Amino acid sequence: QQPVQSPQAVILREGEDAVINCSSSKALYSVHWYRQKHGEAPVFLMILLKGGEQKGHEKISASFNEKKQQSSLYLTASQLSYSGTYFCGTDRKTSYDKVIFGPGTSLSVIP
Amino acid sequence: SQTIHQWPATLVQPVGSPLSLECTVEGTSNPNLYWYRQAAGRGLQLLFYSVGIGQISSEVPQNLSASRPQDRQFILSSKKLLLSDSGFYLCAWSVNEQYFGPGTRLTVT
Repeated sequence: QQPVQSPQAVILREGEDAVINCSSSKALYSVHWYRQKHGEAPVFLMILLKGGEQKGHEKISASFNEKKQQSSLYLTASQLSYSGTYFCGTDRKTSYDKVIFGPGTSLSVIP
Repeated sequence: SQTIHQWPATLVQPVGSPLSLECTVEGTSNPNLYWYRQAAGRGLQLLFYSVGIGQISSEVPQNLSASRPQDRQFILSSKKLLLSDSGFYLCAWSVNEQYFGPGTRLTVT
């Protein structure tokens, strides 16, 4: 079951904040966040393993609400380098690690 | 540290020709390995995954196949390519989080 991401696309000016949401209809074990720049492979940002866990590095952070089966990625004071497509991946911890990715959120940061 | 290699980086093949894409991982043992395909402007579609040598599971029935002849080697193959096989093919490995290789951009003409 593919997770749902919102919004589909967002345009920001440098310095603005953004939130990308990821939700699933199934109980989750973990949530993964990736960023992909055009023509490149996705790059791992962070993984949240426990309900209620929050993580972050620099000005990108995320939270995981296990009860609501959703996660949010927070980008603060956005920089031009944040542009790309953000994918969340969800894992239900079946017999092996299988991450199912959402459709992606396109984020464009303009000067 | 772990690294993942894929080759070739780009490939142009005619319809009906065979395909072989290779992925190797260094710096880890017994990783879970995955093949994804990404059509232009689209999301990541899981094609195959493997939890060990010779163990392959298919997510999407199609004219592609995968093999894992060695612990850190994962191969994606096709006997006859279709136009719809064009896309960006990504290999990934995981322990908890997943890391992607640089990808192979395949164009079937």
